[in-house]
Amino acid sequence: DQQVKQNSPSLSVQEGRISILNCDYTNSMFDYFLWYKKYPAEGPTFLISISSIKDKNEDGRFTVFLNKSAKHLSLHIVPSQPGDSAVYFCAASARSGGSQGNLIFGKGTKLSVKP
Amino acid sequence: SQTIHQWPATLVQPVGSPLSLECTVEGTSNPNLYWYRQAAGRGLQLLFYSVGIGQISSEVPQNLSASRPQDRQFILSSKKLLLSDSGFYLCAWSARGNSPLHFGNGTRLTVT
Repeated sequence: DQQVKQNSPSLSVQEGRISILNCDYTNSMFDYFLWYKKYPAEGPTFLISISSIKDKNEDGRFTVFLNKSAKHLSLHIVPSQPGDSAVYFCAASARSGGSQGNLIFGKGTKLSVKP
Repeated sequence: SQTIHQWPATLVQPVGSPLSLECTVEGTSNPNLYWYRQAAGRGLQLLFYSVGIGQISSEVPQNLSASRPQDRQFILSSKKLLLSDSGFYLCAWSARGNSPLHFGNGTRLTVT
């Protein structure tokens, strides 16, 4: 059973517009959420994270929103740039209870930003 | 600054042959270390993690094993590869506590 779901395998956006990547989770114990960006033949790169005590975290063009009641988070990129074209992975972990905080990843969404 | 090295970048091995992938981390001590696999069309699956020398936890039963002979060295091995072992293998490290993972550039393994 997938605990972290990214239901859109791909997304195409025009340069300058907003990109919205969505992620749903099922485990109510998750309290730490991250987004990673991955280019082909490279390892994922950490982008931005959010703790469950917050509902929004912003870093430059990237903003992550967390809706705990809906078990949903989203990554907003604005304005989108062609260099943002990559696969974006959502990840979650449960930090409480003495766990190692091992991340559970979604399957990824491939973002294409067209000039 | 911290860096993570993983090699080789690509590997083609016949079924039944052994495997050894190596990962080293520089610029930090006592990191948590991880091996992930990304199979075609799937997300990142945690295979092993380690919180210290000689301490290995396995997340899924499989044909692979891991070892941590030194603080900043993590090795993924197999005695006999299967076709289903093909995939993109990623090593990662994190600081103690709950901090983001930092990934290496991965190894593309093709078992033929």
